[in-house]
Amino acid sequence: AQKVTQAQTEISVVEKEDVTLDCVYETRDTTYYLFWYKQPPSGELVFLIRRNSFDEQNEISGRYSWNFQKSTSSFNFTITASQVVDSAVYFCALSEMNRDDKIIFGKGTRLHILP
Amino acid sequence: GAVVSQHPSRVICKSGTSVKIECRSLDFQATTMFWYRQFPKKSLMLMATSNEGSKATYEQGVEKDKFLINHASLTLSTLTVTSAHPEDSSFYICSAGGVGEIDYGYTFGSGTRLTVV
Repeated sequence: AQKVTQAQTEISVVEKEDVTLDCVYETRDTTYYLFWYKQPPSGELVFLIRRNSFDEQNEISGRYSWNFQKSTSSFNFTITASQVVDSAVYFCALSEMNRDDKIIFGKGTRLHILP
Repeated sequence: GAVVSQHPSRVICKSGTSVKIECRSLDFQATTMFWYRQFPKKSLMLMATSNEGSKATYEQGVEKDKFLINHASLTLSTLTVTSAHPEDSSFYICSAGGVGEIDYGYTFGSGTRLTVV
């Protein structure tokens, strides 16, 4: 069965600090996708990244970076030089490619960036 | 890219009435639609998967007679919350499947916040 664990329920950091959001996943499939989404107070899901299981390269996009390690089944997300606008709930998610495309979400991490 | 339009964005209804939420794929054909529910400060829980022209598959614990899903065309899926009660108040969000690699993961609606009074 597929499962996504985000152990950090809530994190608060002061603006300009770096912060890492942890994500650990479980799947029996060898082919899968991993995602990160941002959910601001308005509720819509903002897609941040998709990574397939064949590609373990880390990725950097501006202040955002992702560390994918299959050996530890982790897909962690780091925000560098955090800003108040980064305050939101962040979800890590998993989809098994052999299934029917459904995406399973972790419980989310609520991130507060304090001015 | 693939766009999913969800309406209404917000609805308030009286207890005992039914509410319909629509999810449309605007520029592609969605062979599959997923419906999620999110309680305040909780995660998104998959409620059901619908395939065009066939009955929806509901996740364990989701009442199919309570949450009616219709996927009559490749561009429209609807979720009807029947005889709504305050405990049905939640954020409902749809997602379309059947898209290509580029758009996969993007195709979420903007959500519907349902309040039952």
